[in-house]
Amino acid sequence: EAGVVQSPRYKIIEKKQPVAFWCNPISGHNTLYWYLQNLGQGPELLIRYENEEAVDDSQLPKDRFSAERLKGVDSTLKIQPAELGDSAVYLCASSRDSGAYNEQFFGPGTRLTVL
Amino acid sequence: GDSVTQMEGPVTLSEEAFLTINCTYTATGYPSLFWYVQYPGEGLQLLLKATKADDKGSNKGFEATYRKETTSFHLEKGSVQVSDSAVYFCALIMKTSYDKVIFGPGTSLSVIP
Repeated sequence: EAGVVQSPRYKIIEKKQPVAFWCNPISGHNTLYWYLQNLGQGPELLIRYENEEAVDDSQLPKDRFSAERLKGVDSTLKIQPAELGDSAVYLCASSRDSGAYNEQFFGPGTRLTVL
Repeated sequence: GDSVTQMEGPVTLSEEAFLTINCTYTATGYPSLFWYVQYPGEGLQLLLKATKADDKGSNKGFEATYRKETTSFHLEKGSVQVSDSAVYFCALIMKTSYDKVIFGPGTSLSVIP
């Protein structure tokens, strides 16, 4: 089966510009996650979706970050406006379900550089 | 709060050398423990897991044993290959919040021929 697809793989923007990342989870996976991975650190959860509902967005900086998962499949994560400190890798992951541990499958990530 | 600590990298080994990457955790309960691997240019992949004390997870020649008394989950492999070069992440999940994975900072491994 196809894995988690993310695009773009790399993005370079100037500060104060908007940017969007796209994720297509594995077919049939109801739960979708966005993680932030700073250089030299492990991923940190930004938001988790169960189908189209955001059930855990407590770590999402809502002043500049937003996300959506229309129709409970693909998802978009947006930053507006971007700041220098947003330079990082943004990872998307999906799992079949939640409530009990289901393995999370990760995409390759989008590496964002803010100049 | 719950956290994971790993030995700092980068770690450089010669092919066929023995590998140990140390991992310790802090948790209020008894978590499930995991090792993920991230090969260059790819996403994280689950390498192995252990869900209770004294369990041993194993995969692709890698092993780790859940040690409750030392709150550790060290990753070992008897003979590394060049293809094992990657970043390795130790992680935990509390059984009360199955979806929230807490990752360590990662340890970069380079294996040279």
